[in-house]
Amino acid sequence: DTGVSQDPRHKITKRGQNVTFRCDPISEHNRLYWYRQTLGQGPEFLTYFQNEAQLEKSRLLSDRFSAERPKGSFSTLEIQRTEQGDSAMYLCASSLASGSVEQFFGPGTRLTVL
Amino acid sequence: KQEVTQIPAALSVPEGENLVLNCSFTDSAIYNLQWFRQDPGKGLTSLLLIQSSQREQTSGRLNASLDKSSGRSTLYIAASQPGDSATYLCAVNTNAGKSTFGDGTTLTVKP
Repeated sequence: DTGVSQDPRHKITKRGQNVTFRCDPISEHNRLYWYRQTLGQGPEFLTYFQNEAQLEKSRLLSDRFSAERPKGSFSTLEIQRTEQGDSAMYLCASSLASGSVEQFFGPGTRLTVL
Repeated sequence: KQEVTQIPAALSVPEGENLVLNCSFTDSAIYNLQWFRQDPGKGLTSLLLIQSSQREQTSGRLNASLDKSSGRSTLYIAASQPGDSATYLCAVNTNAGKSTFGDGTTLTVKP
C-alpha cells in the first residue's frame, strides 16, 4: 500500500508522560501536514512541512508540541508532559506542493491521556 | 481568519433520496476546496477537489459545486445508499498549505 501511514494507531498514556507519533507520507509528496481532531469537530491545522522545512505552525501548537521532518520523508510529532486536553485524534496528510495540492490523509493516531 | 460552516450538522434520509450538503466560508481568497468522507474512528477519504477557477466537479453519484464569490460550496449525492452513511467534511485550502475545515455533516441513510 502506498498511502499515508501513521504509527501507532492508538496510544494510551498517563498525564505528564511524553509521546511521539510517526507519519510516513506518500513517497513522492513533498508536503506533509499535521492536524488534531476532537470528537464532533473538524480537523484543526497544527503545522506543515515542505520537504524538511516547517513552513507554518498554528497557535494551537504550544511549546509542549514539536514536529520534525529531518530528511524530508517521514515526520514525527512529539507531545511533552501530556495533559488530558491533549486527548484527540492526530491526523497526518501529504500532498504535492504544486498542481492541485490535493491532500491525502492517513488513518490517524488516537491519543488517550488518563 | 477563515471560518468554515457546514449545515446541517446531521441529516437522516431514506435510501434512494437525493440530497445536498452545504459548506460556507468567510474568505473567498481560496486556492481550492476539498470534500472528504470520514467513517467513525477513521481517517479522511478525499471525495472531490475543486480548484478556485472551477465551478463544479463530478465523481460517480457525487457532484460538488463552488461559488467562490458568495463563499459557498455544495455536495450533491444522488440516489443515496446506506453505505453513504458517514460524516462529510469540507476543507478550504490556501496555496500556502493551510486548510480550514468545517465541523462536518453526519449523514445517515436508512434502508
